[in-house]
Amino acid sequence: AQSVTQLDSQVPVFEEAPVELRCNYSSSVSVYLFWYVQYPNQGLQLLLKYLSGSTLVKGINGFEAEFNKSQTSFHLRKPSVHISDTAEYFCAVSVTGGGNKLTFGTGTQLKVEL
Amino acid sequence: DSGVTQTPKHLITATGQRVTLRCSPRSGDLSVYWYQQSLDQGLQFLIQYYNGEERAKGNILERFSAQQFPDLHSELNLSSLELGDSALYFCASSVGDNLGEGYTFGSGTRLTVV
Repeated sequence: AQSVTQLDSQVPVFEEAPVELRCNYSSSVSVYLFWYVQYPNQGLQLLLKYLSGSTLVKGINGFEAEFNKSQTSFHLRKPSVHISDTAEYFCAVSVTGGGNKLTFGTGTQLKVEL
Repeated sequence: DSGVTQTPKHLITATGQRVTLRCSPRSGDLSVYWYQQSLDQGLQFLIQYYNGEERAKGNILERFSAQQFPDLHSELNLSSLELGDSALYFCASSVGDNLGEGYTFGSGTRLTVV
């Protein structure tokens, strides 16, 4: 079975600073990888996804992530964060050919401060 | 507005009771997914329906059941409620049965069991 680890439960960062949110996955087969964002009192919104091809994936709101198969990682990055990026970020994985079930990590709370 | 509608937004009920959560998928989407989000267990996949048929099952308790109707809306029924069932229940939808599309989430139903 696949699993996802988000080691950082909280990441504080100052506005306009860069940020990296870490995600590692475990799977014995090929995977699809996703990052979702959840703003307070809202549902989850898809930021970006990796299915195949280029390992650098660009998403909405200036976020990008890089798939690293050898390190089984899919870290999320943004070169300059804004106050409005304060939210909870979830990494998720699904195995290819394994249906549509997404396995989510425990989330990382990004807090952007002035 | 994501296009996925969940009602009610909030629900408070007593232990032992039964509730029904409703989800209307985004127009054109055939798949509906239910997830439970709680503080101790994070986001857990419950069940998926595709065009009226059950497609995948996750960590769904026997006290819980779901169905998808011909008009594609879905209902999640929770019975013999316990305090531990208090959580945010999300519905998501996608066009088909192909995870590559990603999900669109609703804003959730917050269930409080007292």
